[in-house]
Amino acid sequence: NAGVTQTPKFQVLKTGQSMTLQCAQDMNHNSMYWYRQDPGMGLRLIYYSASEGTTDKGEVPNGYNVSRLNKREFSLRLESAAPSQTSVYFCASSEFYRGGYGYTFGSGTRLTVV
Amino acid sequence: GESVGLHLPTLSVQEGDNSIINCAYSNSASDYFIWYKQESGKGPQFIIDIRSNMDKRQGQRVTVLLNKTVKHLSLQIAATQPGDSAVYFCAEVTTSGTYKYIFGTGTRLKVLA
Repeated sequence: NAGVTQTPKFQVLKTGQSMTLQCAQDMNHNSMYWYRQDPGMGLRLIYYSASEGTTDKGEVPNGYNVSRLNKREFSLRLESAAPSQTSVYFCASSEFYRGGYGYTFGSGTRLTVV
Repeated sequence: GESVGLHLPTLSVQEGDNSIINCAYSNSASDYFIWYKQESGKGPQFIIDIRSNMDKRQGQRVTVLLNKTVKHLSLQIAATQPGDSAVYFCAEVTTSGTYKYIFGTGTRLKVLA
């Protein structure tokens, strides 16, 4: 019963490098999300997938792409990392998208871009 | 723009005392409010939620109060324990019209032995 699993936990990238953050959930949830968390700011939505086969931009999508690989997996890709993308990234899931659902979050990926 | 904020960035309480963490919200049309707990190095964890048609909801050692008149939300933790030390933040959800799920910035709760 892992819930939401994110990999890697830590990553250091050089400016311009690319990488993919992986996320998988085992709760049969329909909706998945990627957030970033920066000091002094609330969680900000990067992209979300309301259901398998769909993805949509959130509040801060620039510089990112996502793939909903199947119902379990939702990956986030940084094509050309920039220092402004230094942050802690959280993947989350919920049973459905539209509703007052509490989200289940992963443990996060701490990304540093130098 | 719309925002969800917290009055106190840091709250220190003595172990065994009750804690009250506050949250102000801005959208009177929001219909769900959710409290999360985030321990150091971990992801946020759902604690309790409340619908806008309720004033109070109780869980295990936690109570959430909603005052729609002043758009205020509070989380009360009874008999605070060292394991309660964390950042707590609220989320405001609007399901009518444009769907919005907005997180506040958080209050750090420190439990003193």
